[in-house]
Amino acid sequence: EILMTQSPATLSVSPGERATLSCRASQSVSRNLAWYQQKPGQTPRLLIYGASTRVAGIPARFSGSGSGTEFTLTISSLQSEDFAVYFCQQYYSWPPFTFGPGTKVEI
Amino acid sequence: QLHLRESGPGLVKPSETLSLICTVSGGSFDRSDYYWAWIRQPPGKGLEWIGSVYYNGYSYYTPSLKGRVNISVDTSKNQFSLQVNSVTAADTGLYFCARHPPPPASGPFDYWGQGLLATVSS
Repeated sequence: EILMTQSPATLSVSPGERATLSCRASQSVSRNLAWYQQKPGQTPRLLIYGASTRVAGIPARFSGSGSGTEFTLTISSLQSEDFAVYFCQQYYSWPPFTFGPGTKVEI
Repeated sequence: QLHLRESGPGLVKPSETLSLICTVSGGSFDRSDYYWAWIRQPPGKGLEWIGSVYYNGYSYYTPSLKGRVNISVDTSKNQFSLQVNSVTAADTGLYFCARHPPPPASGPFDYWGQGLLATVSS
């Protein structure tokens, strides 16, 4: 099973600032890595897949990078609606699919 | 637009069976393009993939729940189902259904249901 870790657990930023979230896999997942955003009481929303491809309709301020075991989600200028929990997920080797524990982005 | 909706009892007694259904609408369910999955989230915690089923009934499960879980499909009703046996309080959480591409292409969970809170309590 591929273990996913994320850092930091909580990221405190101000609106308009840049946020950088990290995700690490216990072994290479190539670029088979997705990022999801989840707001309180809502369903996770797919933001990025293939490590760096934005889903249609996701603002350009969200960008993903990395390959192998190290990945980054960057939000270039945080908007109020971006405060949420972000999960990474590998789909390189399954079963099982595995998720990271999440990073909470708070004001 | 594809739509997934979970249904089932929100309260289950310890040692009994949790049974949920996901109904898929707005798209073709009985095709080979996707797997249909169950994912759960304990209160205040992260996401755990439970298992996935193909339109022909072939299924995969997470090792930690294998033996207690069964996922089946009913293409005539555009539904797939989850059963978790011998539940404990640790099975309490939000249960989501979702879809993902089949191997070898593989891919993320692109469509999700709204989630259903299942509580295990006497």
